[in-house]
Formats: sequence, C-alpha cells, structure tokens
Amino acid sequence: GAVVSQHPSRVICKSGTSVKIECRSLDFQATTMFWYRQFPKQSLMLMATSNEGSKATYEQGVEKDKFLINHASLTLSTLTVTSAHPEDSSFYICSAGIPANEKLFFGSGTQLSVL
Amino acid sequence: GQQVMQIPQYQHVQEGEDFTTYCNSSTTLSNIQWYKQRPGGHPVFLIQLVKSGEVKKQKRLTFQFGEAKKNSSLHITATQTTDVGTYFCAGKNTNAGKSTFGDGTTLTVKP
Repeated sequence: GAVVSQHPSRVICKSGTSVKIECRSLDFQATTMFWYRQFPKQSLMLMATSNEGSKATYEQGVEKDKFLINHASLTLSTLTVTSAHPEDSSFYICSAGIPANEKLFFGSGTQLSVL
Repeated sequence: GQQVMQIPQYQHVQEGEDFTTYCNSSTTLSNIQWYKQRPGGHPVFLIQLVKSGEVKKQKRLTFQFGEAKKNSSLHITATQTTDVGTYFCAGKNTNAGKSTFGDGTTLTVKP
C-alpha cells in the first residue's frame, strides 16, 4: 500500500526556535496533503490543506504565519512551526490521499515538545 | 460548517463482547471513511463507504452507511485484545475537498 513518511518522529526544542517537519509520499504523487494536530486522547484537528505549487489553505483559527506550509513538489510537504512556544507542544500528523480512491495515508506523526 | 459527531467517547469491554461506535453528520455525506489508531500510533485506513445503505464486512468488523448518508456505524463482533485503539470516522461532503473527523471512540478490551 501507499506509504507516507514523516520526519522527525520526535523533537524537543527551546522556546523561540523554529521547527521543520517533513511529510513525504514515498510511492505515489500527492497534489494535496493535510496537516493535523492531535492532543492526547483527542481527535485529529485539521490545521491546513497543503496544495502542490500553490498556497496552503488554513482552517479557521490557525495562524498561517505561525505554521508555515510549503508543498514544493508532488511528494513533499513541510510544516514549519515558527518561534515555537510551550503551548505549541503537540502531536503533529500529516496525511496524503490518492485521488482515485480518496483514502488517506497518514505519516507516523511528530511529537513536538517545546521547553 | 459540517460537524461529525461520534459516540461513545470511550468503551470498555470484556474480551469476547461486542462493540459498536456510531457516527452522525450534520450534513449529507458523499462518503464516509473509518480509521483505527493504536495507542502511540497513527491512524490507519480501514474502509470507505459510498452508497446509501451500504454494508461492508472485514472479518469481525461490520461497517454500515445510513440510508440518508448522514450516519454510519462500526460494529466489532467478539472483541479481542488486538482491537484496542481509537476508531475515527471521517465524513466528506460532496463539494468539500477535505474530510471532517469525528472525535473518535477509544476501545479498551479487558482480557
């Protein structure tokens, strides 16, 4: 089946630094990728839709200048958490879908801890 | 906007008992998907339902899509410890480019 690779799996950083998370579709092309945030024992909160070659579409309440998304190729989308603060600590997951059947394949997630 | 509600939030069962989670949408859906997330893991696609009244089975799992395409259910027969995890439904509107996830139902199975 399709594979989505997400790196890093875990990152610890100091407050004020920026963190980049990569999401790659390994064996298929993904014109659209999705970024989610998940708090412990809670659901997936869609943050933004990443579109290859164009600007990302952010959900209401998500700061686009805080969470920078770049989808430069059909197999790579990146999420940069800028000037991270402790309240940004969370589990971030990406997903990509194969347009033909629309099912989503998820990356393994990134646990971000901001000290 | 579209809302997808899922109940119950938690379900604790004895191994061998059945389990059902329900998903309800505020709007008519073009399709609904179900995912399973094991503790510490990421969501994994289980199935997609498209047709009104559709019923699909995967071994001990039975998935249903309501006639009005606004609700769905996942039923597990004779649960096993390997069934533990959180089950999410995700509904998609005809005109939407994204799916809306329910809050999930976390299943624990006592041996």
